[in-house]
Amino acid sequence: EVQLVESGGGLVKPGGSLRLSCAASGFTFSSYSMNWVRQAPGKGLEWVSSISSSSSYIYYADSVKGRFTISRDNAKNSLYLQMNSLRAEDTAVYYCARDYDILTGYYGYWGQGTLVTVSS
Amino acid sequence: AIQLTQSPSSLSASVGDRVTITCRASQGISSALAWYQQKPGKAPKLLIYDASSLESGVPSRFSGSGSGTDFTLTISSLQPEDFATYYCQQFNSYPWLTFGGGTKVEIK
Repeated sequence: EVQLVESGGGLVKPGGSLRLSCAASGFTFSSYSMNWVRQAPGKGLEWVSSISSSSSYIYYADSVKGRFTISRDNAKNSLYLQMNSLRAEDTAVYYCARDYDILTGYYGYWGQGTLVTVSS
Repeated sequence: AIQLTQSPSSLSASVGDRVTITCRASQGISSALAWYQQKPGKAPKLLIYDASSLESGVPSRFSGSGSGTDFTLTISSLQPEDFATYYCQQFNSYPWLTFGGGTKVEIK
């Protein structure tokens, strides 16, 4: 069974940093691109970042480019999101998601999400 | 960036009703569209991919159609467990994905 478990969320002041983690199990992690999607309170879904299976290709939404860094450790079956220079508008639940199948572009598996709150 | 506009943003319906949600893309995306269902406090769940393919385990009362710029999600007979928010998502510009604004289906 595919499982994705996020951690690392919390309350942080504007300008601060936070590192999110996503522990994956139940599939060959090193074969799949992985993604972060966020959802501000009461709002819709926003794609944040994607990383290819071997970390060769990395992509960011314009809203986080230059501030967030996605990475992965295939030996540990883990995905990360380093978030720097956080702003109030980054407040959201952050989901780790896996493509339905290799390079499909739609997400068949999601974690439960971790809440990031940016506030003074 | 490709924008997706969903309509309506919310609707009220009764159990047994037929419900249709539309999603319009700002440019043609072929059939690169997925639909998700999200319940409060939960992660989204994939319902439909490639515009009309039903995800395994999803009830057959859900169906998707369309191509190019106009798409629909139809629930043929609304059930109590279907009250949720529905999102469309395009993957034509993969990996730069975009989601629609969502449609909240509420009980009448």
